[in-house]
Amino acid sequence: GAVVSQHPSWVICKSGTSVKIECRSLDFQATTMFWYRQFPKQSLMLMATSNEGSKATYEQGVEKDKFLINHASLTLSTLTVTSAHPEDSSFYICSATGQGGSQPQHFGDGTRLSIL
Amino acid sequence: GQNIDQPTEMTATEGAIVQINCTYQTSGFNGLFWYQQHAGEAPTFLSYNVLDGLEEKGRFSSFLSRSKGYSYLLLKELQMKDSASYLCAVKDSNYQLIWGAGTKLIIKP
Repeated sequence: GAVVSQHPSWVICKSGTSVKIECRSLDFQATTMFWYRQFPKQSLMLMATSNEGSKATYEQGVEKDKFLINHASLTLSTLTVTSAHPEDSSFYICSATGQGGSQPQHFGDGTRLSIL
Repeated sequence: GQNIDQPTEMTATEGAIVQINCTYQTSGFNGLFWYQQHAGEAPTFLSYNVLDGLEEKGRFSSFLSRSKGYSYLLLKELQMKDSASYLCAVKDSNYQLIWGAGTKLIIKP
């Protein structure tokens, strides 16, 4: 089946640091990648959608200058949390989908981000 | 507005059968997906329905009725490892995936 690799899986860093998370589709071309955030015992919250070679579309309430998304190739998207603060601590999950409406989103394993 | 409803929590017994329902109201329809998410992990894809009827995949089956805006996920021969949240998601006319809040399934011995 389709494989999406996300790393790092766990990050602990000081407040004010910027953190980059990578998401790669290993065996298919991901025309669209998605970034989600999930707080404990809550549902997935879509942050942004990115298509290869174009600017990401951010959901309402998500600061694009805070959460920088780059989707430079059909197999790689990155999310950079700039100047992270404790309230940014969360579980960040990427997903990727190929072309075609019937294609499911395949998820990476997620990144647990803890800001001290 | 767009809306997906599924029960918050369900409890079932090991070895039994459980049905998790999902109703949706979306602007257009381009398929319905079921995902499984274990606590602390990312979701994994279970099934996809775009036409009415039942899709069977081992112990798991998914049913769709587009006219009723309704789907269910059926889990047979429940195992303890099936304890997880089950997420229903619908692609709307713009191919945006609209997520339900998930149903937490608790399996008891």
